[in-house]
Amino acid sequence: GAVVSQHPSRVICKSGTSVKIECRSLDFQATTMFWYRQFPKQSLMLMATSNEGSKATYEQGVEKDKFLINHASLTLSTLTVTSAHPEDSSFYICSASLGLAGPRDTQYFGPGTRLTVL
Amino acid sequence: GIQVEQSPPDLILQEGANSTLRCNFSDSVNNLQWFHQNPWGQLINLFYIPSGTKQNGRLSATTVATERYSLLYISSSQTTDSGVYFCAGQNTGGFKTIFGAGTRLFVKA
Repeated sequence: GAVVSQHPSRVICKSGTSVKIECRSLDFQATTMFWYRQFPKQSLMLMATSNEGSKATYEQGVEKDKFLINHASLTLSTLTVTSAHPEDSSFYICSASLGLAGPRDTQYFGPGTRLTVL
Repeated sequence: GIQVEQSPPDLILQEGANSTLRCNFSDSVNNLQWFHQNPWGQLINLFYIPSGTKQNGRLSATTVATERYSLLYISSSQTTDSGVYFCAGQNTGGFKTIFGAGTRLFVKA
């Protein structure tokens, strides 16, 4: 149980295009989902927290107009990188929490999406 | 300042060896967890351990909350244990998970 999927697993795009990444909780309802970014050989940095049906809460320094997050249902959150540039190239990881307590509950992580912007 | 600090940053082991990874965390961090990120990037929950000791097979973890540290023990290491081990905690009073920089482990056959 508690499986989280991400799609696509890998994407290469041209500079200036937008890329959408999907995060799905396959066998549970996730009230809260989280988006992280990980640069090579670095730790995970939280980008935003999204709750179903409400606007995402972005961490300081993360541009909300650049990284659009939609949490339309209890099993799906999407991250859209708008007008992507080479510096947006990174490994993007989502996680989902089982309970209403948010991150105080265990987070289950997706397999990640590797974005390369040419 | 750094709220979650891990050591060592890198570790190379011969298969079969034991190791201890350490995580120090500040007063503003609670609810420690340990994760393993495999070479393909997948994060796996190992332990949710705000205090006390837990064991799961060859892995065990101990958190001494009053002294603000947690230890992850790996016994009889295997090549499949390679990857990055992260400890993470939650910001007291907030809803944010803070990850340490990780310990990069390589187990040689």
